[in-house]
Amino acid sequence: ILNVEQSPQSLHVQEGDSTNFTCSFPSSNFYALHWYRWETAKSPEALFVMTLNGDEKKKGRISATLNTKEGYSYLYIKGSQPEDSATYLCAFMEYGNKLVFGAGTILRVKS
Amino acid sequence: DVKVTQSSRYLVKRTGEKVFLECVQDMDHENMFWYRQDPGLGLRLIYFSYDVKMKEKGDIPEGYSVSREKKERFSLILESASTNQTSMYLCASRSLAGDPSYEQYFGPGTRLTVT
Repeated sequence: ILNVEQSPQSLHVQEGDSTNFTCSFPSSNFYALHWYRWETAKSPEALFVMTLNGDEKKKGRISATLNTKEGYSYLYIKGSQPEDSATYLCAFMEYGNKLVFGAGTILRVKS
Repeated sequence: DVKVTQSSRYLVKRTGEKVFLECVQDMDHENMFWYRQDPGLGLRLIYFSYDVKMKEKGDIPEGYSVSREKKERFSLILESASTNQTSMYLCASRSLAGDPSYEQYFGPGTRLTVT
């Protein structure tokens, strides 16, 4: 059974703080790594889909990096805002197309 | 905009009842998925469907079945609900056009409580 681990489990930060989370995944049979943001009472939405080792993606204040050789991805949020409060999920895709999700990192940003 | 809708946001059922969770997507996606999410665990795949009338078991199919008679609709069936099926259920869909690493689009979830 594939194991995708996310850390930390939860994070409380002040508005304006920058933060980052980690996603660890198997380094073999890699096909893609997905990051999703899941706000309370809403549907999870894709932030990034990353496929290449060394890939870096950015969307506004949020960015992500990918290291497929060692099996990890970092998600960074610069200058956290209360609207960034959500659960951040990463998911590993190996050949065969199914996603295996981590348990998520819960971020709470206090104003 | 892709839209994935689920029939109920909240549902309360009794042990032993047959439960139907419906999911509809409006973007002609080939693939559809059912997940459950429990505290401290990631989304776990129950069943998925590559196309109409096609289904495959995911990681935790026991106690569930599915139906996909039309491309836009994927139903999850709990044949005889049990308390350990109390959970948040999420439906998702994905297009196979182009790169299959593309994102999945999720519904808002159904929080099912079995008493």
